[in-house]
Amino acid sequence: DAEITQSPRHKITETGRQVTLACHQTWNHNNMFWYRQDLGHGLRLIHYSYGVQDTNKGEVSDGYSVSRSNTEDLPLTLESAASSQTSVYFCASSATFSGELFFGEGSRLTVL
Amino acid sequence: AQTVTQSQPEMSVQEAETVTLSCTYDTSENNYYLFWYKQPPSRQMILVIRQEAYKQQNATENRFSVNFQKAAKSFSLKISDSQLGDTAMYFCAFMFRLYGGATNKLIFGTGTLLAVQP
Repeated sequence: DAEITQSPRHKITETGRQVTLACHQTWNHNNMFWYRQDLGHGLRLIHYSYGVQDTNKGEVSDGYSVSRSNTEDLPLTLESAASSQTSVYFCASSATFSGELFFGEGSRLTVL
Repeated sequence: AQTVTQSQPEMSVQEAETVTLSCTYDTSENNYYLFWYKQPPSRQMILVIRQEAYKQQNATENRFSVNFQKAAKSFSLKISDSQLGDTAMYFCAFMFRLYGGATNKLIFGTGTLLAVQP
């Protein structure tokens, strides 16, 4: 079955370290999205992509970067992790005209 | 910019009763989707129901139905015959459709934590 997977599911890191969260989908979806979830804020969009080589900033993109070198993957990189980036991160994907997003199971990141 | 507001941070309902979760949104667009997502303790995001803005008929999925008031920009979720498994965080979300109806990013509300009591 097609799916979307995130790794790692849990990670603890230290302030200032570089961290990469992986997202891989097997649906061949053009659209991919990264959100972070924090209490009182819901899910907020970090970055998104509508296809290979396309990336766009969301509402909370500072301190994060993404690259889209193929259809299946959209890794999220924290260049220098900060305690404010402690959160649960969700990756999602969608087909171009489906009107529906499919979510991964989330990655919990703790920055000490 | 589009915004989504959920004014009820927490709600509680007795098993088998009916509960309504509120959601309002703000947009100047005319071509959009509205969604309710459920997030149980497992953290998985589960689509509950979807409404296309051009459809006047309210969407229904088994025990879940919406009251879509386009002019008022209101999109409430009614859960009938509440079950213990309905205990979860519920998120209202908005999607402005791109050219040709293409799928776009979701904008979420802050969520309503629903507890179903036995």
